[in-house]
Amino acid sequence: GAGVSQTPSNKVTEKGKYVELRCDPISGHTALYWYRQSLGQGPEFLIYFQGTGAADDSGLPNDRFFAVRPEGSVSTLKIQRTERGDSAVYLCASSFRGGTEAFFGQGTRLTVV
Amino acid sequence: QQQVKQSPQSLIVQKGGIPIINCAYENTAFDYFPWYQQFPGKGPALLIAIRPDVSEKKEGRFTISFNKSAKQFSLHIMDSQPGDSATYFCAASWGNTPLVFGKGTRLSVIA
Repeated sequence: GAGVSQTPSNKVTEKGKYVELRCDPISGHTALYWYRQSLGQGPEFLIYFQGTGAADDSGLPNDRFFAVRPEGSVSTLKIQRTERGDSAVYLCASSFRGGTEAFFGQGTRLTVV
Repeated sequence: QQQVKQSPQSLIVQKGGIPIINCAYENTAFDYFPWYQQFPGKGPALLIAIRPDVSEKKEGRFTISFNKSAKQFSLHIMDSQPGDSATYFCAASWGNTPLVFGKGTRLSVIA
């Protein structure tokens, strides 16, 4: 596709469950970013991939959060034992390489009930 | 510690007015300063960006002014239209580091 694609658009899950959020970046973009956006706030950085490896995971809030990008394209953000505080919009962005223009997907709205 | 401080939090202007949104930063290593526009239910969309080697950049009705000594940059929207009503975010980064975002400004342009 032409832009960054995120699936699902919306996800409702019960507290304690495991969820996976998928990001399909723009073709040819080597850098991929995950952000989390709470209501009325700016995006907060979670993790940055350059190719297959996590170049910076300093924004992951705790060890319940994990992300992978095994083939250097699609990435999956995984959240274990979800908590109500994890409810937010999870945004993915990609860029041709780190430090260049970043383009965002439409986000996945996660609601933990 | 908030690395990029954005103001105002919200802004209402008449159609045709020139809203100005300001951002201040502390990290002098920052060398890339984009602005994003976000509509409800959508992801942020890159609007315009500047690097510190210039003091101003214009793209259509959008202008970034950059003051390196004051560590501030601002977005001006000329001839604002109701369709410009959205939330605007400034951001900053350096090298390959991820973008750091301000908290956003909710702009309403009323006819």
